[in-house]
Amino acid sequence: DAGITQSPRHKVTETGTPVTLRCHQTENHRYMYWYRQDPGHGLRLIHYSYGVKDTDKGEVSDGYSVSRSKTEDFLLTLESATSSQTSVYFCAISVGGFTDTQYFGPGTRLTVL
Amino acid sequence: AQTVTQSQPEMSVQEAETVTLSCTYDTSESDYYLFWYKQPPSRQMILVIRQEAYKQQNATENRFSVNFQKAAKSFSLKISDSQLGDAAMYFCAYRYSQGGSEKLVFGKGTKLTVNP
Repeated sequence: DAGITQSPRHKVTETGTPVTLRCHQTENHRYMYWYRQDPGHGLRLIHYSYGVKDTDKGEVSDGYSVSRSKTEDFLLTLESATSSQTSVYFCAISVGGFTDTQYFGPGTRLTVL
Repeated sequence: AQTVTQSQPEMSVQEAETVTLSCTYDTSESDYYLFWYKQPPSRQMILVIRQEAYKQQNATENRFSVNFQKAAKSFSLKISDSQLGDAAMYFCAYRYSQGGSEKLVFGKGTKLTVNP
């Protein structure tokens, strides 16, 4: 499973509150990603990181920010959660860079009431 | 825009039979990678098989194989000798490089049911 954990695994919060999701890897991979998965949309990239303090936006980045202060942790923050951000969030890592594959964490189910 | 289309929202197959899941993609890139992922009810995304665009030979992993038609931009997954544990959502994905970073675009998935 490439040593990827996500926390929390489940969270219920209220509209307007800040939320931070954590992705942790144990194998020192350079690339890390945050995706959301919604019915009818499949997986969509939110943000990704290609190194410590190096991040970039994906296709659905509005309302989200990320930080990566050390190789093993990639944080996703919803500054002010909205009901449209209710989703399952997946973290992923790239093994070996561009020429290799991505492996996904177990996911976090977030509900915004 | 890079897009991935899975035209079959749901498929079913009898145990021990063979099933093929379809995937087409749209790209102007010449160097890219294609993947099939499996998502069981546990929601973890498991890599099933991958194909490099520059390789003409179709990738194979045990009971899983692909039919890669680069000119037609088609990338179908064949599952042979289907097993009950194969039941899951299957996602086709296309990966490319942009500005030195990597991108991954997914189709909307095909739900596979395996009947005993």
